[in-house]
Amino acid sequence: SAVISQKPSRDICQRGTSLTIQCQVDSQVTMMFWYRQQPGQSLTLIATANQGSEATYESGFVIDKFPISRPNLTFSTLTVSNMSPEDSSIYLCSVDGGFPYGYTFGSGTRLTVV
Amino acid sequence: DQQVKQNSPSLSVQEGRISILNCDYTNSMFDYFLWYKKYPAEGPTFLISISSIKDKNEDGRFTVFLNKSAKHLSLHIVPSQPGDSAVYFCAAAHPGAQKLVFGQGTRLTINP
Repeated sequence: SAVISQKPSRDICQRGTSLTIQCQVDSQVTMMFWYRQQPGQSLTLIATANQGSEATYESGFVIDKFPISRPNLTFSTLTVSNMSPEDSSIYLCSVDGGFPYGYTFGSGTRLTVV
Repeated sequence: DQQVKQNSPSLSVQEGRISILNCDYTNSMFDYFLWYKKYPAEGPTFLISISSIKDKNEDGRFTVFLNKSAKHLSLHIVPSQPGDSAVYFCAAAHPGAQKLVFGQGTRLTINP
């Protein structure tokens, strides 16, 4: 299955600033997925990123807040913009690992907004 | 609307005994179910899956049971080992959909 390198692994940010999270995959993949895990909550899909087209956002998530880039088939970034303490979460990128594995995940970015 | 629920936030089991983690779902269209394991500071890793055409899938110490009429699945770990201590997530998918819906997770602690 694919190996995903995600960085940074953690960060503490001031409210009102932005943070960009990067994910690099060791193979070419059509779709990359971005998830958020708020404290004590399940993993929630933020958006699906296809190379060469705009990302598709899930209900409750908007491009202005979570802009995504997908410049090629092995790389994607997620930016958390104008951060507030409510954005403190673990952010995870993932790719489809194929049957029967479901998704393969990066190691996650633990974001704390102060 | 929480379509996949893990009602036990935590579970403590003695080493060598059986661990049983439970998951309920509400959407009868789900046809594929997975269990993931997550250690701190790591992303979730795939553990075992089951298709809706089966009611049991086994892989070593791990067995997943699916009861479609009850919309319930469970993960059995036997015998439990200290390295099994982690957070376990169940997830479900619609036919042909790449999107997974996750439960809230259950923190399993194996006591020596």
